[in-house]
Amino acid sequence: ETGVTQSPTHLIKTRGQQVTLRCSSQSGHNTVSWYQQALGQGPQFIFQYYREEENGRGNFPPRFSGLQFPNYSSELNVNALELDDSALYLCASSLAGGHEQYFGPGTRLTVT
Amino acid sequence: GESVGLHLPTLSVQEGDNSIINCAYSNSASDYFIWYKQESGKGPQFIIDIRSNMDKRQGQRVTVLLNKTVKHLSLQIAATQPGDSAVYFCAENGMDTGRRALTFGSGTRLQVQP
Repeated sequence: ETGVTQSPTHLIKTRGQQVTLRCSSQSGHNTVSWYQQALGQGPQFIFQYYREEENGRGNFPPRFSGLQFPNYSSELNVNALELDDSALYLCASSLAGGHEQYFGPGTRLTVT
Repeated sequence: GESVGLHLPTLSVQEGDNSIINCAYSNSASDYFIWYKQESGKGPQFIIDIRSNMDKRQGQRVTVLLNKTVKHLSLQIAATQPGDSAVYFCAENGMDTGRRALTFGSGTRLQVQP
């Protein structure tokens, strides 16, 4: 297993609510990427954080936002939740510029 | 847009047989290709990668082949075991605008019959 941890494991929210997901990166890794994985699909890149700043973003609306902290851990925030936001949210850590990304177990978000 | 896709959604093999999982990619600028294994309830697990200047790379029981001419990637698993049952994703990783993001295909489910 990788050293990437995520919390919570599962979460149920109501449409319109806000959610915060958390990720601790593998020791020594300074870059965190977030992915959304819908059921039966491959993960889709949301955004990446490096040195506490967003370093690239996929095709996701602004209601998806994030933070990275000095210890390299990260948060993913989603506002105004929609039913289609139901998915497994994966965090991956890596070294800056490195191509190997190590994934955490994910947070399963269900929006009702 | 650029994408990474897979040819077969489900592959069923007998224990002990060799498995071959295929993948097509479209971004010729990608410089790394990676195979991940994802078991139920877990995040993707790195299996093996290959750089775009190589055409073959071997690991323990796994081999990745890259054919840049036809933009095709394959993962070969030798002597497939029940523990190999999972969904396998190929992903491309390109240094785009100074950051590396993985572009995944939709996955192939490998079922190993005892």
